[in-house]
Amino acid sequence: AQTVTQSQPEMSVQEAETVTLSCTYDTSESDYYLFWYKQPPSRQMILVIRQEAYKQQNATENRFSVNFQKAAKSFSLKISDSQLGDAAMYFCAYRRSNAGGTSYGKLTFGQGTILTVHP
Amino acid sequence: ETGVTQSPTHLIKTRGQQVTLRCSSQSGHNTVSWYQQALGQGPQFIFQYYREEENGRGNFPPRFSGLQFPNYSSELNVNALELDDSALYLCASSFLGQGNEQFFGPGTRLTVL
Repeated sequence: AQTVTQSQPEMSVQEAETVTLSCTYDTSESDYYLFWYKQPPSRQMILVIRQEAYKQQNATENRFSVNFQKAAKSFSLKISDSQLGDAAMYFCAYRRSNAGGTSYGKLTFGQGTILTVHP
Repeated sequence: ETGVTQSPTHLIKTRGQQVTLRCSSQSGHNTVSWYQQALGQGPQFIFQYYREEENGRGNFPPRFSGLQFPNYSSELNVNALELDDSALYLCASSFLGQGNEQFFGPGTRLTVL
């Protein structure tokens, strides 16, 4: 079974600074997807960034980028130029890649990291 | 905001009762997944429905059941409620296919007394 571990229950950052959230995972599969989701207080969970395991290039979305280390099974999220609106719970998640199988859409989440942004 | 809606927003039940939660998928989506998120924890996969058939299930007992309707709306039913069922229940819809994103609803907060 796949597992996802986020070892930082809470992180804080000053506005305009950079912060990195850590995530490790365990799987026996070679092809899969990794995600970072953001869940603001009392608001919907939204996708921040996605990484396909077969791609060596790290994904980037504006101020958000990842450091994907497949051999180490590590997937960290870097937030640059942090903004007050970045404050939220962040979840790392895994999904296998095989289309058509059962539980295809199943996301396995980590425990989450609460990010606080100080003005 | 995503196009996924859930009702009700909040719900209070007592132990032993039954509850039905509803989800309306985003237009064009044919797959819905349900998750249970305990306070301060990551969501746990309950099950997934594709074209009205259950297409995978997590480690949840049979008293958790679901339905998906032709219009791709969905229900989660929980029988014989237990105190530990208190959680935020999320649904997520997507179009089945490689790499397609799942869009989450705002969730239903269930409290079991």
